Amino acid sequence: GIQVEQSPPDLILQEGANSTLRCNFSDSVNNLQWFHQNPWGQLINLFYIPSGTKQNGRLSATTVATERYSLLYISSSQTTDSGVYFCAVERFSGGYNKLIFGAGTRLAVHP
Amino acid sequence: ETGVTQSPTHLIKTRGQQVTLRCSSQSGHNTVSWYQQALGQGPQFIFQYYREEENGRGNFPPRFSGLQFPNYSSELNVNALELDDSALYLCASSTTSGRANTGELFFGEGSRLTVL
Repeated sequence: GIQVEQSPPDLILQEGANSTLRCNFSDSVNNLQWFHQNPWGQLINLFYIPSGTKQNGRLSATTVATERYSLLYISSSQTTDSGVYFCAVERFSGGYNKLIFGAGTRLAVHP
Repeated sequence: ETGVTQSPTHLIKTRGQQVTLRCSSQSGHNTVSWYQQALGQGPQFIFQYYREEENGRGNFPPRFSGLQFPNYSSELNVNALELDDSALYLCASSTTSGRANTGELFFGEGSRLTVL
C-alpha cells in the first residue's frame, strides 16, 4: 500500500517564526489533504490540494504530484498553531476512496 | 465547525462489552467513513458506507461493523471489546458521485473510547 512520510516528526518554534512541513508519498494518488488536529482531537481541514499551490492567511501549501510530495508553510507562527499536522492522501481503489494518513508533525509554538 | 457530529464524546467500557458510536454527516453529504486513531498515531481507515452499504473496508476484524441510515447518518459497532480498541474514533463525511468519491472529507470531533 501507499506509504506517507511526514517530516519533521516534532518541531518547536518561537512565536513569529516560519516553518515548512513536508509530506512524501510513495505512489500516485487522487487527492491530498492537510489537517490540523487540535488538543481536543478535532481534525480541522487546512487544504484540499491534489496539485498546485493554495494560500489561506498565514498558511500555504504546495503539492507536486509528479514528484510525490507536498509542503505546508506556516508563517508568523502563533501559539494557537500548536498541535499535530497531518498529511493524508486519497486513493480510489475498488470503488471507494480512503484517506491514508502520515504519522503527523507535532508542532509546539512558544510565546 | 464541519457540520459532522458524533456521540458520545467520551465513554468507558470493559473488555468483552459492546459499544455503538453514532455520526451525523454534513448536510448534502451521502458517504460516511470511520477511522480509528490510537494514541500518538495517525487515523486508520476502518470502513466506508455509501447508499446504506459498506463499500470499502480497511484491515479491521468483523467485530467492527456499521450501518448507514436513509438520512446518511451512521453507526459504528464494536463487539467483544479488547484493550487495544481504546482509541479516538473519527467519523468523516463526503460526497460520492457515480463510482468516485469526490471532494474533501470533513471530520467530526470524535468519540474517545477507553476499554478497561
